[in-house]
Amino acid sequence: ETGVTQSPTHLIKTRGQQVTLRCSSQSGHNTVSWYQQALGQGPQFIFQYYREEENGRGNFPPRFSGLQFPNYSSELNVNALELDDSALYLCASSLGNRDTGELFFGEGSRLTVL
Amino acid sequence: AQSVTQPDIHITVSEGASLELRCNYSYGATPYLFWYVQSPGQGLQLLLKYFSGDTLVQGIKGFEAEFKRSQSSFNLRKPSVHWSDAAEYFCAVVDSGGGADGLTFGKGTHLIIQP
Repeated sequence: ETGVTQSPTHLIKTRGQQVTLRCSSQSGHNTVSWYQQALGQGPQFIFQYYREEENGRGNFPPRFSGLQFPNYSSELNVNALELDDSALYLCASSLGNRDTGELFFGEGSRLTVL
Repeated sequence: AQSVTQPDIHITVSEGASLELRCNYSYGATPYLFWYVQSPGQGLQLLLKYFSGDTLVQGIKGFEAEFKRSQSSFNLRKPSVHWSDAAEYFCAVVDSGGGADGLTFGKGTHLIIQP
């Protein structure tokens, strides 16, 4: 059974640039969620995708967008990067379109914005 | 809006001693409750969850948690900690009514194990 994998593991961008983060779901999972974890904080829900449609979103601006592909892998895109976007971005996969909390997390992509 | 409070930012425990990590939540209905652990360089791992029924739930790695509705608490316990338990622990809640609003996490408790 393949777990959740994320890429890249680390990256550095400058303010105003755009970034794309990628996530491969655990085998058999059809739902992907993205979370932002700032230093010293708990993860915050960005959005969730189920069968290629966004079906839930947290309190994040539209410059945070995503995609889910037919193989259930996913991308997180952030436009017009700001310094406060520096964080660990976590992808989690699960089965089903309802929250049960039984999420399987990847190790994250650490983004630094200079 | 729902919220989760973990009052202790850091806790230091001697190896072999017992452990209790506190979690309080604020929510109108009964949420689903979880504890996750995050070790350095690793993703979050689910320790245990409470949906309904028996208020004392058992998890992996010898952890347990007790749901107390009257106190809006879901404290995590372990009778004897091991050095490998050193990690960041997060309590989380989600609406039990269904939907896709995501988990709400606390800020975490950093557990340090003294030899």
